Amino acid sequence: EAGVTQFPSHSVIEKGQTVTLRCDPISGHDNLYWYRRVMGKEIKFLLHFVKESKQDESGMPNNRFLAERTGGTYSTLKVQPAELEDSGVYFCASSHRTVRLTDTQYFGPGTRLTVL
Amino acid sequence: GEDVEQSLFLSVREGDSSVINCTYTDSSSTYLYWYKQEPGAGLQLLTYIFSNMDMKQDQRLTVLLNKKDKHLSLRIADTQTGDSAIYFCAERKGDSGAGSYQLTFGKGTKLSVIP
Repeated sequence: EAGVTQFPSHSVIEKGQTVTLRCDPISGHDNLYWYRRVMGKEIKFLLHFVKESKQDESGMPNNRFLAERTGGTYSTLKVQPAELEDSGVYFCASSHRTVRLTDTQYFGPGTRLTVL
Repeated sequence: GEDVEQSLFLSVREGDSSVINCTYTDSSSTYLYWYKQEPGAGLQLLTYIFSNMDMKQDQRLTVLLNKKDKHLSLRIADTQTGDSAIYFCAERKGDSGAGSYQLTFGKGTKLSVIP
């Protein structure tokens, strides 16, 4: 079974540009999460999809960030326009949709975003 | 204060036991997790413990939970050089009403194993 994959692994852009990150969850996982780790800080929750619906987007920092999951499969996270403080590692995670609380999240390798 | 706190660094000799500590603040946390991140890799789930348990053992890993003190620890027996990585403690607060199972992470403890 393939794990969570993310693309690209690294992205270097200039301030003001647009970047789109992609996440492919484990096949059959309804839950998809985005997290971000800014240098020296904790890994912070951004948002949570259940299939194609946004279940919780309380962690999205501002309206420069747009996440989509059309069709309930892969997800994209677009940053437009990018700012210096957006630099960090963006992680995606997925999990089964179950009625039990054992909702183990499996993480991808992350996308390292550098905004110059 | 921060929700989840960990010491940032730990150095041990190969063959010794490592103990990584974590404290959390939310008594409603349902599951507590330990993730491992090796250089250049993603987060690998090591183990988790349900909040009504005191201990969980899985091969070389032992997780201890003191719910009264909101203290979690991960013990790695017979630490090997391959255990060198960053270890993240994370808590999940269960259903917040929105059905979200977001994880709250500590900053991570960098474990260095000296040969």
